[in-house]
Order: sequence, then C-alpha cells, then structure tokens
Amino acid sequence: DAKTTQPPSMDCAEGRAANLPCNHSTISGNEYVYWYRQIHSQGPQYIIHGLKNNETNEMASLIITEDRKSSTLILPHATLRDTAVYYCIVRPSNSGYALNFGKGTSLLVTP
Amino acid sequence: DTAVSQTPKYLVTQMGNDKSIKCEQNLGHDTMYWYKQDSKKFLKIMFSYNNKELIINETVPNRFSPKSPDKAHLNLHINSLELGDSAVYFCASSQFSPGQGYGYTFGSGTRLTVV
Repeated sequence: DAKTTQPPSMDCAEGRAANLPCNHSTISGNEYVYWYRQIHSQGPQYIIHGLKNNETNEMASLIITEDRKSSTLILPHATLRDTAVYYCIVRPSNSGYALNFGKGTSLLVTP
Repeated sequence: DTAVSQTPKYLVTQMGNDKSIKCEQNLGHDTMYWYKQDSKKFLKIMFSYNNKELIINETVPNRFSPKSPDKAHLNLHINSLELGDSAVYFCASSQFSPGQGYGYTFGSGTRLTVV
C-alpha cells in the first residue's frame, strides 16, 4: 500500500468548513483513496472514497488532485460531533489487502 | 439491525486464561477482518478471511487463532493471555463493488483487559 502523510492535529470552529489534507505521493493507478474517522474509541466509520474524480456525499466532499498525489477531505459545516481522528488510507482495488491505518489527523471542533 | 456485531463488548480476564471474541456480520460481505488498537491508538490489521479462507495473517503470536465457521462469522480465540494483549479489538467486513472498490464496515469493538 502507498503510505499517506497527514498533519497530526487540526482545529476548526463550529459551523466552519474543515479541510483535512492528505499526501499520498506514491499512490498507484489502481489504488483508491479512503477516508475514515474514529470518534472516541468507537469503531472506525466510513466517510467517503474515490479513485480519480472528486466525490461528494451527505457527510463530506473529497477533492483529489489531478496527479492523485494528494487529496483533501472537506466537512462543509463542522459540528462538535465531528471531533474525531480522521484517517486517509490508500488501498489497491484488488483483493487480498486490508485497510492499513496510519496515525491520522485528530480534528478538534470548538464552539 | 447492527451490521457488524461483536461480543462481548468488555472482557476482563486474568493472565494465562483462554478467551474468545465473536463477530458476526449481516451485510452479506465475503471478507472479514480482525484489527487490534493498542493503548497508543494505532489500529493494526491482524487477520483477514475471504469466504472462510485465511488471506491475510500479519505477524501475530500463534496464541491468536481466528476461526471462520461461515462467511458471516469470524471469531478470535486467544490462548494464554498476556498483559500486552490488553487492547481494543475491532472486527470488520468488506465487499467489492465494480467501479466502487471495497466498502468496509467496522464493529464497535471489544475492550480486552488482562490483569
């Protein structure tokens, strides 16, 4: 799996957009970019994933650069409940692999 | 209607004991996993089963033995428990969708404390 680099921590004011960056400069052509989050030792929760195109769902948007070497997860209107550790993971599309979690970014949303 | 369920949620036991953690998924996924999250909060893959066959086996002591009676269940048996086994263990499942890649769902975890 390609490795990812994320800032260890970030702060965001409630109601503002949270933009979480991730570098994955060694990503291969068949690797997807996944974002998960973990709220206070609960099970990791799926947020969004993509291959090349930008993606949006009810939780977040994922912006992937054209060269696919980095991506940004956007939480458009952060709430206190979004305080969590956010993990950016790249994973090949074929079988025989698992999600390998790094250290992630600890996002603190403040009132 | 929990998608991935683990039992028990909490487990406190003495060193040297043998214990099992059970996991069941009702998503129809064909692959299941066990992850360990230690006190430093690193989540590490331990095992993966696809249709009851072991496909990933990371460097884990052989005191840990996964068992998959069918593709909806993946249990984890631990022999001769040690203090260092104290951690939160997460079960997960996944399924491949063409054009979408793999979708993973995690259980809520089992907190194991060895005293």
